[in-house]
Amino acid sequence: KAGVTQTPRYLIKTRGQQVTLSCSPISGHRSVSWYQQTPGQGLQFLFEYFSETQRNKGNFPGRFSGRQFSNSRSEMNVSTLELGDSALYLCASSLDPGPGNTIYFGEGSWLTVV
Amino acid sequence: AQSVTQLGSHVSVSEGALVLLRCNYSSSVPPYLFWYVQYPNQGLQLLLKYTSAATLVKGINGFEAEFKKSETSFHLTKPSAHMSDAAEYFCAMKAGANSKLTFGKGITLSVRP
Repeated sequence: KAGVTQTPRYLIKTRGQQVTLSCSPISGHRSVSWYQQTPGQGLQFLFEYFSETQRNKGNFPGRFSGRQFSNSRSEMNVSTLELGDSALYLCASSLDPGPGNTIYFGEGSWLTVV
Repeated sequence: AQSVTQLGSHVSVSEGALVLLRCNYSSSVPPYLFWYVQYPNQGLQLLLKYTSAATLVKGINGFEAEFKKSETSFHLTKPSAHMSDAAEYFCAMKAGANSKLTFGKGITLSVRP
């Protein structure tokens, strides 16, 4: 079956703009989480959604937001982009938030802010 | 606080040599532990996971890891490195019902011909 799908794969934005990234989880998976990956900070947790509810949130400013739809698809939004937001944004899905469930990752969305 | 530590940022081995990537964790509750691999310009691929069923866990591509509670470790090994193993490896942990997936800093593995 299809894996976690993220769109767009690559995008370039200007400082001050906003961006929306989309994630389609593996069919049947209801838990979706987002991570930011940068060379300096590594992999950092952004937020997790399950059944359209945010269950966990990482230590990011309010400019970072997300949501999950009834079909489990998820979007994340970053407003008022800063140069430091340039990163690989990874979406992951699992059956549910249970700690032992395997978490599958998408290929990521590469965001460059200029 | 829960944390994952991967000491060092780079490991270099010769093709055919043993691969050993270290991971230590800190958790106040029994953890679930994962190793992921990331090839250049790709997402993360699960190599193996520990969920308390067995302390020695076998994964894909010939990798395995052993959970040692006394040492709070979950080191990743492969008996014989292959050129295709060159990638970045991340150890990760989930501990507790409402916990997030916490990653180590990652280790870049290079394989010399």
